[in-house]
Amino acid sequence: GIQVEQSPPDLILQEGANSTLRCNFSDSVNNLQWFHQNPWGQLINLFYIPSGTKQNGRLSATTVATERYSLLYISSSQTTDSGVYFCAGGLGNQFYFGTGTSLTVIP
Amino acid sequence: NAGVTQTPKFQVLKTGQSMTLQCAQDMNHNSMYWYRQDPGMGLRLIYYSASEGTTDKGEVPNGYNVSRLNKREFSLRLESAAPSQTSVYFCASTRSLDEKLFFGSGTQLSVL
Repeated sequence: GIQVEQSPPDLILQEGANSTLRCNFSDSVNNLQWFHQNPWGQLINLFYIPSGTKQNGRLSATTVATERYSLLYISSSQTTDSGVYFCAGGLGNQFYFGTGTSLTVIP
Repeated sequence: NAGVTQTPKFQVLKTGQSMTLQCAQDMNHNSMYWYRQDPGMGLRLIYYSASEGTTDKGEVPNGYNVSRLNKREFSLRLESAAPSQTSVYFCASTRSLDEKLFFGSGTQLSVL
């Protein structure tokens, strides 16, 4: 299977700060998605982004498929951004997940 | 529109007991998945069903069986639960690999 590496594993931010999360893939994937797992355990799909850049409010994501990585940008972070961020790549009929970046935003 | 619905939300089993986790989606999705989440290990695929009538093993299938009952429903069965199966289980679905993956709210399972 494909290996997915996420960095950093842990991140603590002051409210209002910006951050960049990275996801590297060991091989090419057909699609790439970012998820947020909130403190209650719910997994929310943030972006479907096989290539290029997308923005949704304070969040944006960029995937460079030819170099097998994706970045998630969080601007003006809020305490509600806390949780774990996962990336996943799809190949064949499967999705492969990284081990996540745990983000804590402190007021 | 409920999305992906999992039942139960919590379950405690004794070693050797059996149970079935239920999952249903109302988005007319073709593919469905069962993952387990353990601390520090992300989400690991147990089984998946690429389309109605098909099922395939994922990364960690041992000790589990699945049934794709129809297009809406995909169940996960533990025939003889072991403490190593203590985990949070998530069901997910998507229309295709070219679209978003949606998750249920999870089942927290403890095997004593």
